[in-house]
Amino acid sequence: DGGITQSPKYLFRKEGQNVTLSCEQNLNHDAMYWYRQDPGQGLRLIYYSQIVNDFQKGDIAEGYSVSREKKESFPLTVTSAQKNPTAFYLCASSSRYRDSNQPQHFGDGTRLSIL
Amino acid sequence: AQKVTQAQTEISVVEKEDVTLDCVYETRDTTYYLFWYKQPPSGELVFLIRRNSFDEQNEISGRYSWNFQKSTSSFNFTITASQVVDSAVYFCALSEANTGRRALTFGSGTRLQVQP
Repeated sequence: DGGITQSPKYLFRKEGQNVTLSCEQNLNHDAMYWYRQDPGQGLRLIYYSQIVNDFQKGDIAEGYSVSREKKESFPLTVTSAQKNPTAFYLCASSSRYRDSNQPQHFGDGTRLSIL
Repeated sequence: AQKVTQAQTEISVVEKEDVTLDCVYETRDTTYYLFWYKQPPSGELVFLIRRNSFDEQNEISGRYSWNFQKSTSSFNFTITASQVVDSAVYFCALSEANTGRRALTFGSGTRLQVQP
């Protein structure tokens, strides 16, 4: 079945540690996105990528980094510079970024907590 | 800048009641798209519907219906005869066609609890 796979489902970070969240899609989509969800808030855009080897900052990129070396993969690294990383992280994809009428498909999310 | 407001933080109803979730949006773009997503307790977002700014026709899908009114910048979602399985957080979202930002802008969500 086509879809988006995020791993791990739960992740714990120690002080000063970088952690990487995985996102893989087999939908053959060009565009991929990372969102952060905090309790009682909507999703906020961290980074997005329109094509391979390209990515742009979203609304809350500070303390995060991404790469897009393969079409299928868009990993997110939460660096030690992100002082409040506890949140639910959702990865999404859509056929093309320019096609803003196309719905985004979401993974099951990764819940990140501080130890 | 674009903005989506869902003023209802949480709604609780008894099964079989009708419920309407409100969504108000702001955009300067002349062409835009509105979406509703459902987030069940498992966490993933499930796409429900997309509406184009140039099509104000209301839509019905089973127990779900959507009322799009450009005059009031609203895109409300009604569930008829609610069921326990409808319990979830519902998000309204907006994307713009002509500005630099094509990614979705989400509202803060409305948590719907349907009691048996």
